[in-house]
Amino acid sequence: AQSVAQPEDQVNVAEGNPLTVKCTYSVSGNPYLFWYVQYPNRGLQFLLKYITGDNLVKGSYGFEAEFNKSQTSFHLKKPSALVSDSALYFCAVRPYNNNDMRFGAGTRLTVKP
Amino acid sequence: ETGVTQTPRHLVMGMTNKKSLKCEQHLGHNAMYWYKQSAKKPLELMFVYNFKEQTENNSVPSRFSPECPNSSHLFLHLHTLQPEDSALYLCASSQGARYGYTFGSGTRLTVV
Repeated sequence: AQSVAQPEDQVNVAEGNPLTVKCTYSVSGNPYLFWYVQYPNRGLQFLLKYITGDNLVKGSYGFEAEFNKSQTSFHLKKPSALVSDSALYFCAVRPYNNNDMRFGAGTRLTVKP
Repeated sequence: ETGVTQTPRHLVMGMTNKKSLKCEQHLGHNAMYWYKQSAKKPLELMFVYNFKEQTENNSVPSRFSPECPNSSHLFLHLHTLQPEDSALYLCASSQGARYGYTFGSGTRLTVV
């Protein structure tokens, strides 16, 4: 069965600094990998996904993520953080052959002015 | 709006009440999901429907009863809930493994 680990409950960065939110996964076969963001009292919003091809994936709001097969990681990055990026971020993995998506526990990102 | 609409947004119910949560999507997606999100816990998958057929029931107590009358609508019927059932209930839809989920904004449920 597939699983996702987000090792950090909380990440704090200063505005303008680069940010990284970590994610590692375990899945049989080729994974489909996703990042979602959740703002207070809202559902999860899609940020980006890796299906195949280039290991560096660019998504919404200037976010990007790098798929690393050897390290089974899919870390979320942004070169310059904004206060408005403060939210809860979820990594998710889905096997290529079924609809079952597994989510990590989430990482709360706080960007301070 | 994401294309997945959940109603009501907020619900307060007593432990002896019966209520229903509604989810609606007109995205043409063939799979729909119910998730429970509690404070400081991972997202919990509750039910999965593919082409209106339930394909997964993740050991959810019988006081939660899903219904999927067609591929656009999903309900979660609630009865005799417990205070620990208070949470944000999220509905999502998807059109296949290569695609992500589209989530609704959720129903914030409080059981008193």
